[in-house]
Amino acid sequence: DAGVIQSPRHEVTEMGQEVTLRCKPISGHDYLFWYRQTMMRGLELLIYFNNNVPIDDSGMPEDRFSAKMPNASFSTLKIQPSEPRDSAVYFCASSSGVGGYEQYFGPGTRLTVT
Amino acid sequence: GEDVEQSLFLSVREGDSSVINCTYTDSSSTYLYWYKQEPGAGLQLLTYIFSNMDMKQDQRLTVLLNKKDKHLSLRIADTQTGDSAIYFCAELYGYALNFGKGTSLLVTP
Repeated sequence: DAGVIQSPRHEVTEMGQEVTLRCKPISGHDYLFWYRQTMMRGLELLIYFNNNVPIDDSGMPEDRFSAKMPNASFSTLKIQPSEPRDSAVYFCASSSGVGGYEQYFGPGTRLTVT
Repeated sequence: GEDVEQSLFLSVREGDSSVINCTYTDSSSTYLYWYKQEPGAGLQLLTYIFSNMDMKQDQRLTVLLNKKDKHLSLRIADTQTGDSAIYFCAELYGYALNFGKGTSLLVTP
């Protein structure tokens, strides 16, 4: 398996623009997670899905952030409008939800908002 | 979740053992994990331990769990320069992970 795939790997955008981050989980995994990593706050859970349904979005910072999972093999995280404080590395992870609940992470998208 | 605590830095000499410590928050956590992050890369799952275990060994890695004190440690035997990275402790919180801030391990020749 190719592992969790994220795109783009790097994104530089101007304040106010819309940003869309993409994720393809590992085939057969029924849990998908979006995390954000910053120096100040470390790794934070934003939202997670089970069988394409959002289960917990309490970590989503505000209404500017939205996430969707239209099918089992694709998810998006959208920021509209983006702000400089959104600059971070955004990770997608997936797990099978059974056994050790092992979460496997993608390489991340480094977002810079100027 | 509450804060998972880790020391920020650790420096060891090549060939020595490294011990990275973590204090977690939720006594009902069923699984505890160690992840490794190299510069510019994602998080790599190293190992995990189920809460009914005290110890787990996997090649050069040994995980010790003290449930009474909510303390988790990762021992790396014969540490190599390639082990230099940030190591994250995490507890399973519901179905998501609650991470510590990470320990930067520097291995010097």
